[in-house]
Amino acid sequence: DTGVSQNPRHKITKRGQNVTFRCDPISEHNRLYWYRQTLGQGPEFLTYFQNEAQLEKSRLLSDRFSAERPKGSFSTLEIQRTEQGDSAMYLCASSLVSGTTKETQYFGPGTRLLVL
Amino acid sequence: AQTVTQSQPEMSVQEAETVTLSCTYDTSESDYYLFWYKQPPSRQMILVIRQEAYKQQNATENRFSVNFQKAAKSFSLKISDSQLGDAAMYFCAYREGVTNFGNEKLTFGTGTRLTIIP
Repeated sequence: DTGVSQNPRHKITKRGQNVTFRCDPISEHNRLYWYRQTLGQGPEFLTYFQNEAQLEKSRLLSDRFSAERPKGSFSTLEIQRTEQGDSAMYLCASSLVSGTTKETQYFGPGTRLLVL
Repeated sequence: AQTVTQSQPEMSVQEAETVTLSCTYDTSESDYYLFWYKQPPSRQMILVIRQEAYKQQNATENRFSVNFQKAAKSFSLKISDSQLGDAAMYFCAYREGVTNFGNEKLTFGTGTRLTIIP
């Protein structure tokens, strides 16, 4: 399967713990995006990367959140000192942007986080 | 800021019938893209159809078509010959078209849950 993959698919943690999620984009895609989706809502943009450079961060991404894409391939999203309000589905998407061509974003299955 | 509004939280349709999901958006840009994504229960979000704002012709993909009214900022999705596998949350999404920093994000509506009645 050459689609976007995310691990783990589910994560249950206690408040105050740190968690890390991984996203593997489609191999030739140079853009990678993170979104958060809470129950009953549409996904909300968190941040995105062009290759290894993080180009924009949403105000939703507090100081407890950090994302990396060290070699321009997979990405990790870490949440430190988790809070119950962090409980959500974390979605990763990737796309190919070349010159003026902006391709569709393809989504992974998401990581569902529950903070107890 | 761009906003996307889906005013129908839930819709239902008889199998084999046609249903239309509504979406309106607000933007001051002239170049942008609109999308409909489908999110089946416990499964990943997949693209249904995409429309470039500069194209006057409405996009179609098999049983799925859109009615894009640029002046009215309306972008509805029509599903013909509804099938049980069409049951899902449907999200309308907007993205700016100009290649600049900060313009890559998708802005989603709150979704419409579509139920197919056998």
